[in-house]
Amino acid sequence: GQNIDQPTEMTATEGAIVQINCTYQTSGFNGLFWYQQHAGEAPTFLSYNVLDGLEEKGRFSSFLSRSKGYSYLLLKELQMKDSASYLCAVEDSNYQLIWGAGTKLIIKP
Amino acid sequence: GAVVSQHPSRVICKSGTSVKIECRSLDFQATTMFWYRQFPKKSLMLMATSNEGSKATYEQGVEKDKFLINHASLTLSTLTVTSAHPEDSSFYICSARSQTTGDLETQYFGPGTRLLVL
Repeated sequence: GQNIDQPTEMTATEGAIVQINCTYQTSGFNGLFWYQQHAGEAPTFLSYNVLDGLEEKGRFSSFLSRSKGYSYLLLKELQMKDSASYLCAVEDSNYQLIWGAGTKLIIKP
Repeated sequence: GAVVSQHPSRVICKSGTSVKIECRSLDFQATTMFWYRQFPKKSLMLMATSNEGSKATYEQGVEKDKFLINHASLTLSTLTVTSAHPEDSSFYICSARSQTTGDLETQYFGPGTRLLVL
């Protein structure tokens, strides 16, 4: 079956760095998304990785290893507003999205 | 974990026809379901929120007569694109919020339906 695993919840301190991991087993792979979702709001697109390696976008970076079925989202210089759920989703061979359950990130002062 | 399915996974239709997309929560009851549209830059736009047994709440700019939403049961919501035009071609994603699984804020997303209007 198809499966996406990410931690349910993580806690980090304001100003610190946090890495949210995502592992996947899917029928084919066409890309991997990371979304941020604040409570009661629609998900906001953060990144889309197709090739292996690290992509940096400001305070957020996303890494992909297709051979390992693994990705992570790295958040630097954490701010209180980064408290949210972070969703990992993989596009399978049919370009359908397989979603992780999301990681709830709690930022403490 | 909670599973949400969508049917069909992809559909091609002629301009002017109507297309119905189903969203089902397979192993939990969802009093609230959300319909999104994914744009080419991968952002998700919330189209509407549907609550079981009541009328859907549409976001600003979304035509309620064009995108008909029916949430007839705790496990099924449907989105009907009426009189479809090529600009309606997109990837439509639903999500469901459970009252019995996980916390009340968690949304479980479906795999999406790719619509192509010729």
